[in-house]
Amino acid sequence: AQRVTQPEKLLSVFKGAPVELKCNYSYSGSPELFWYVQYSRQRLQLLLRHISRESIKGFTADLNKGETSFHLKKPFAQEEDSAMYYCALSSKNSGGSNYKLTFGKGTLLTVNP
Amino acid sequence: DAGVIQSPRHEVTEMGQEVTLRCKPISGHDYLFWYRQTMMRGLELLIYFNNNVPIDDSGMPEDRFSAKMPNASFSTLKIQPSEPRDSAVYFCASSRTGLAGVGYEQYFGPGTRLTVT
Repeated sequence: AQRVTQPEKLLSVFKGAPVELKCNYSYSGSPELFWYVQYSRQRLQLLLRHISRESIKGFTADLNKGETSFHLKKPFAQEEDSAMYYCALSSKNSGGSNYKLTFGKGTLLTVNP
Repeated sequence: DAGVIQSPRHEVTEMGQEVTLRCKPISGHDYLFWYRQTMMRGLELLIYFNNNVPIDDSGMPEDRFSAKMPNASFSTLKIQPSEPRDSAVYFCASSRTGLAGVGYEQYFGPGTRLTVT
C-alpha cells in the first residue's frame, strides 16, 4: 500500500532563510508526486508536480527515487509562504486507468518577519 | 467558473441526527473525490467516483457513511446517524482524466466544517 510521510507537523523560519519541507513516500509502482498548499482561509490547491519539473513561487521539488523522497525547497522564504503544505502521491489501480491521491498529514510552515 | 461548490459551509448538529453534505464539481470533470480532514489523521480520501460510478470506497469509515452521485453535476455524502467523532472538515474535489488515464490536478472545494455535539 502507498504511504506518504511528512515528518514535521510544524516548521518555523525567518524571512529570507532557506526552507525545506520533507516528504518521503512508499509505493511499489512508478510514483507521481505532488505538493498541495492551503493558505489561510483559502482552498487547498496544487503547488507543483514532479512530472512538470517546474518552479512555482520560487519553490522546487526533486523526486529522488533512491531515497523515496520529494522534498519541497525554497532558497529565500517570504512571509506570504506561510501556509499548510501537503505532499501527495498519485497511484493507479491494477488496470492502470484509475488513480487517487494519498496525502501526507501536512506541515504548517510559518515564516516570521 | 466558480470552481467546486460545497454546501453547507458549516453544519452543527446533535449526535444521532442525519447529515447531508453536497458537492457540485467543475463542469467537464469526470472524477469526484470526498475527503475528510482532522488534526489527528490529516487529509483522508473517503470515496471517489469516475463518470458518476463509485470506484473506491475503501476509505469510508463505516456503514453510517454513504455517498451518491446521481449525475455529473451533483454528489452527496450522508452520515446517518452522526456521532461526535465525525466532527471534521469534509472536502470535495474534482478532476478530469489526462493522457493515458493519468489524472490532472484535483480542484478542491472550500470544505464543509461539521460539528456534531
